[in-house]
Amino acid sequence: NAGVTQTPKFQVLKTGQSMTLQCAQDMNHNSMYWYRQDPGMGLRLIYYSASEGTTDKGEVPNGYNVSRLNKREFSLRLESAAPSQTSVYFCASSDQGDLNTGELFFGEGSRLTVL
Amino acid sequence: DQQVKQNSPSLSVQEGRISILNCDYTNSMFDYFLWYKKYPAEGPTFLISISSIKDKNEDGRFTVFLNKSAKHLSLHIVPSQPGDSAVYFCAASGLFGNEKLTFGTGTRLTIIP
Repeated sequence: NAGVTQTPKFQVLKTGQSMTLQCAQDMNHNSMYWYRQDPGMGLRLIYYSASEGTTDKGEVPNGYNVSRLNKREFSLRLESAAPSQTSVYFCASSDQGDLNTGELFFGEGSRLTVL
Repeated sequence: DQQVKQNSPSLSVQEGRISILNCDYTNSMFDYFLWYKKYPAEGPTFLISISSIKDKNEDGRFTVFLNKSAKHLSLHIVPSQPGDSAVYFCAASGLFGNEKLTFGTGTRLTIIP
């Protein structure tokens, strides 16, 4: 039972380079999310997708783009990486209809360093 | 503007004693509150939740208390065990579930054997 799978787990980029973080879930969840975690800042929402075909900005969307490729996959793209984007990125999914637990299922994270 | 605040970055507790983690929020529209636990090099995992119609929710050793008038919630772990050492995040959302959860900054709990 894989749950939420993120790739790559580690990446080092130079300023100005581009890259895409991939995320896939096998739980048939409708909603998917991208968060970043920074020291002293907690988890901040970058973008989310409430259902296949829709995406919306979160708290810190600048410098990022997303694609909800299908129900399973939600990718995060950095078009021109900046040192301020050095962070740990987490993908998550949820069954939007589940109001009993409000549970998000997270991947293991992708550590990105921009030099 | 931090809408969900965890003012204690770290907490150390003796094994077997009670751990109390606190969380304050400012947005009165928050209606649903959750705690997540995170081990190093892993993603956060859901621990326990509470809706605003309750003031207490228990799950085994974990109890969450909600004081809406004070905009405050707390997580109690009794008895604390070494495996509870982790970072704990408080999170909140509006009426319609976990879309756009807002997370706190986290509290690192260390259980001392």
